[in-house]
Amino acid sequence: QVQLVESGGGVVQPGRSLRLSCAASGFAFNIYAMHWVRQAPGKGLEWVAVISFDGGSKFYADSVKGRFTISKDNSKNTLYLQLNSLRADDTAVYYCGRDMSHCIGGNCYSAHGADVWGQGTTVTVSS
Amino acid sequence: EMVLTQSPATLSLSPGERATLSCRASQSVSNYLAWYQQKPGQAPRLLIYDASNRATDIPPRFSGSGSGTDFTLTISSLEPEDFAVYYCQQRTNWVYTFGQGTKLEIK
Repeated sequence: QVQLVESGGGVVQPGRSLRLSCAASGFAFNIYAMHWVRQAPGKGLEWVAVISFDGGSKFYADSVKGRFTISKDNSKNTLYLQLNSLRADDTAVYYCGRDMSHCIGGNCYSAHGADVWGQGTTVTVSS
Repeated sequence: EMVLTQSPATLSLSPGERATLSCRASQSVSNYLAWYQQKPGQAPRLLIYDASNRATDIPPRFSGSGSGTDFTLTISSLEPEDFAVYYCQQRTNWVYTFGQGTKLEIK
């Protein structure tokens, strides 16, 4: 079945780094754009980053720009988020999501929404 | 900076009643508006994409409308499982924003 599974979360000190992974299965990972979204404890959803189907385009929320890097290995069906210079306000559950937009053989279908989500991985930044 | 404002913050209704949730954008987003449902401890669930299209397996009691800056999610007759937090999300030039959420609670 279509599935996303995040991993890599944990407790880390301020200023340190962490890499999150999101393993995809059950669908053609290489044709879909992918997102990272986070949720701080007791707060709402915050969009973090998006990457195009081929990894050629990447966009970030202002709150993480220059510190986080999104990447995608289509040969491994895995999405990544490198988190550098972590701060206490980066503490959150991090979710990966599959964008509905996808490209097949040069033809692209565009729709706004993320229809498949992982269960989340928790990042805690604390000294 | 694009801002999405959801109202009300909390909506108290009973099963069987109609729920109307609002999402207003600070500038036009065309129809690039999605609605999500989230229950405690769970990932978001896509309900509506492109403002008015139901996602796969979403019951017909959920409907979305609007374009430009004003959008509405309507649940025609509330079921017990519908009580949750609802978020709208927009996309503008590959930058995405969520609203702050509306909590739909049992009255």
